[in-house]
Amino acid sequence: AQSVTQLGSHVSVSEGALVLLRCNYSSSVPPYLFWYVQYPNQGLQLLLKYTTGATLVKGINGFEAEFKKSETSFHLTKPSAHMSDAAEYFCAVSGSGSARQLTFGSGTQLTVLP
Amino acid sequence: NAGVTQTPKFQVLKTGQSMTLQCAQDMNHEYMSWYRQDPGMGLRLIHYSVGAGITDQGEVPNGYNVSRSTTEDFPLRLLSAAPSQTSVYFCASSSTTSGGTGSYEQYFGPGTRLTVT
Repeated sequence: AQSVTQLGSHVSVSEGALVLLRCNYSSSVPPYLFWYVQYPNQGLQLLLKYTTGATLVKGINGFEAEFKKSETSFHLTKPSAHMSDAAEYFCAVSGSGSARQLTFGSGTQLTVLP
Repeated sequence: NAGVTQTPKFQVLKTGQSMTLQCAQDMNHEYMSWYRQDPGMGLRLIHYSVGAGITDQGEVPNGYNVSRSTTEDFPLRLLSAAPSQTSVYFCASSSTTSGGTGSYEQYFGPGTRLTVT
């Protein structure tokens, strides 16, 4: 069984400030972890993923995430927020036993203030 | 490539009506799935298919049917619509090749927004 918890359903940051979106997971097998972004009235777009190897993963649009096994976390960060980053962000996990079945967190709505 | 396409984009149904949400992909992906998205609940898996002729239930399958007669298409049928099925529905597909990582990136369609009155 696997689950994902995203802390904070709404996060607001000022333009140029650090973005930190939190994700904690539980998985009975080594996890594969994903961050997706959803812009208004659109589908989901993959930002980045962790499978194996390097624990610091870089994605599109300047985002990165670090897999910390000891903390069961996969937090998403971006050094400097841009207005275009305003969207909803979803963390997801899949396990090696059913690698294509994703379990999603409840999402975090990011607002970027001018 | 069009990727994953879904029709219709919007639909309003009355309670008890039936309908089919269409999903197609042109990437020759074996794995396809349907999710529903509800506020504050993220996306939940309804049904999935690992290839033509093979389907299985996800987390929330009640009230929905699927079939997979071709690699390209994976329609979702609502047998008798209920207000609880008001949601945004996403279809996704993924490759059978993972580049040795064991992970399969999923590609999502644009969604169908369904309202049941």
